[in-house]
Order: sequence, then C-alpha cells, then structure tokens
Amino acid sequence: AQTVTQSQPEMSVQEAETVTLSCTYDTSESNYYLFWYKQPPSRQMILVIRQEAYKQQNATENRFSVNFQKAAKSFSLKISDSQLGDTAMYFCAFKGSGANSKLTFGKGITLSVRP
Amino acid sequence: DTGVSQDPRHKITKRGQNVTFRCDPISEHNRLYWYRQTLGQGPEFLTYFQNEAQLEKSRLLSDRFSAERPKGSFSTLEIQRTEQGDSAMYLCASSLVGGIGYEQYFGPGTRLTVT
Repeated sequence: AQTVTQSQPEMSVQEAETVTLSCTYDTSESNYYLFWYKQPPSRQMILVIRQEAYKQQNATENRFSVNFQKAAKSFSLKISDSQLGDTAMYFCAFKGSGANSKLTFGKGITLSVRP
Repeated sequence: DTGVSQDPRHKITKRGQNVTFRCDPISEHNRLYWYRQTLGQGPEFLTYFQNEAQLEKSRLLSDRFSAERPKGSFSTLEIQRTEQGDSAMYLCASSLVGGIGYEQYFGPGTRLTVT
C-alpha cells in the first residue's frame, strides 16, 4: 500500500518570500502521479500542480514549482512570491497507474502567509 | 461547466439516525469518488464509480455505508445508524478517464455532525 507523509504540520511565511513544503511517499510502483492540492479555509480543494513520475523535468505552474526526487521518493512544493491568498492547507497526494484510480493523501500542512 | 456540487453542505443528526448525501459530478466526467476527511487529516478514500459501476471500496466503508450511482450521473452516499465517529467532512470528486493527469475535481463537501 502506498503511504504519503507530510511531517510539517504548520508553516508560516512572510508575504513575497519563498516557502518550501515537504512531502515523502512510499510505493513499489514505477509509474505514478503526484499532486499538490490546496484547501483554503472553508473552501473546496483545488489542484495546484501535478507531476508524472516518468517525467524527469520538475513541473512548474506560475509561482508554484516542485522538486521531484524519484529515487528519494520526495516531492516538495516551492511557492515563490507568497501571497496572502496562498494561506490554506496543502495536501500532497499520490495516484498509482492503471486501474488504481484513488488518491492517497498526506495529513496536510497549514500554511499561513503573514502580511 | 458548473463544477462538482454536493448537497447538503451541512448535516446535523442524532446518533442512530440515517443520513443521505448527494453528489453531482461535472457532467462529462465518468468517474466519481467519495472521500472522508476528519479534522486535521487528509482525505481518506471511501469508494469510486466508473459510470454506474462501483469499482473499489475501502475497508473504511463499513456495512453501514452504501453508495450508489444510478445511470452513471449523480451519486448518493447513505450512512445508516450513524455513530459519533462518523462525524467528518464527506468529499466528492469526479474525473474523466484519460483526462489530463487524471485530475480529480472536488466538491465543497458535506460536513456531518453526529450528536
């Protein structure tokens, strides 16, 4: 069974600065997908960024980028130029390949952006 | 595209009562998922459907839980004889088989409180 670990329960960052959220996972599969989801307070979860395991290039989406280390099974999220609207819980999630369709989530990290 | 909707948004019930939640996925999405999220935790997979077929159920889904997706459109999740431990946010998500990155789109959730 796959597991996803987010060991930092909370982080805080000053507006306009950069912050990195950590995630590690465990799997025996060689092809899979990794995601970061954002859940703002009292609002629904939205996808921030995805990474296909077979792609060596790290994914980027505007101010969001990942550091994907397949051998180390590490998948961290870097948020550049943090904005107040980035305040939310962030969840790392794993999806296996093929018929295995469900997402396995970590416990999440609460990120607070200070003005 | 109106997104994933869930009804009701909040439900308070007494222990021992039955409750039913509804999820309407994005119209062209053929996969529909149910997750449960307790306070301070990441979502945990309960079950998923492809069209009207229920393809996987988690061990978390006890005999008191049943889910249906008649005609492959909306889905209902029923909890019979509710217990205080059932108090949680119940999230629905949908996706398109073969969609980009298998992205799952989440609804706003139904928050269940069992008193």
